[in-house]
Amino acid sequence: DTGVSQDPRHKITKRGQNVTFRCDPISEHNRLYWYRQTLGQGPEFLTYFQNEAQLEKSRLLSDRFSAERPKGSFSTLEIQRTEQGDSAMYLCASGQDGGKPQHFGDGTRLSIL
Amino acid sequence: AQTVTQSQPEMSVQEAETVTLSCTYDTSESNYYLFWYKQPPSRQMILVIRQEAYKQQNATENRFSVNFQKAAKSFSLKISDSQLGDTAMYFCAFPAGGGKLIFGQGTELSVKP
Repeated sequence: DTGVSQDPRHKITKRGQNVTFRCDPISEHNRLYWYRQTLGQGPEFLTYFQNEAQLEKSRLLSDRFSAERPKGSFSTLEIQRTEQGDSAMYLCASGQDGGKPQHFGDGTRLSIL
Repeated sequence: AQTVTQSQPEMSVQEAETVTLSCTYDTSESNYYLFWYKQPPSRQMILVIRQEAYKQQNATENRFSVNFQKAAKSFSLKISDSQLGDTAMYFCAFPAGGGKLIFGQGTELSVKP
């Protein structure tokens, strides 16, 4: 169990630029989740995959956001034309069905200048 | 809609003392799980304890235990013999459809020497 890894840890970019984050889940986990967390708040669900299928997207996920999980392994989250309001910590978690707890990565902190 | 509420934004406790963090939730489901997660400053979110709703016995993990009151939809976390390393944000979480977690607002716990 090598844990969930996310890259990069920090991303600073100018408003209007595109950014992409990567998440490598625990290998035997079939589910992968993306959350967004702003300062002092609990994480909010964005989207999740079961294997390679994206099964649910939150209303928080505007058209500027897209996520993929090719081959059911790692996942990427892309934000196009970033806005100030996109500044947050983006957390990835992986897990399995049956009520088992999710395992979280360290997160990617996005700062929009 | 399923909701999770943590009514204590901040709490503090003296080292070696006991502290209880509160959480209430709302769901129409009869069988579910509940989790407490810990997020130390600038560190990864980790699972503290898990409770299965169909089990009447309260879960316990070393110094951490829960008081689960299903009828009242209450799920509090008790930390005994508090240690400096327990300083963190604590989140109560409920897995909704697809396993996505719904988090409370969090309680910031400070353990003072």
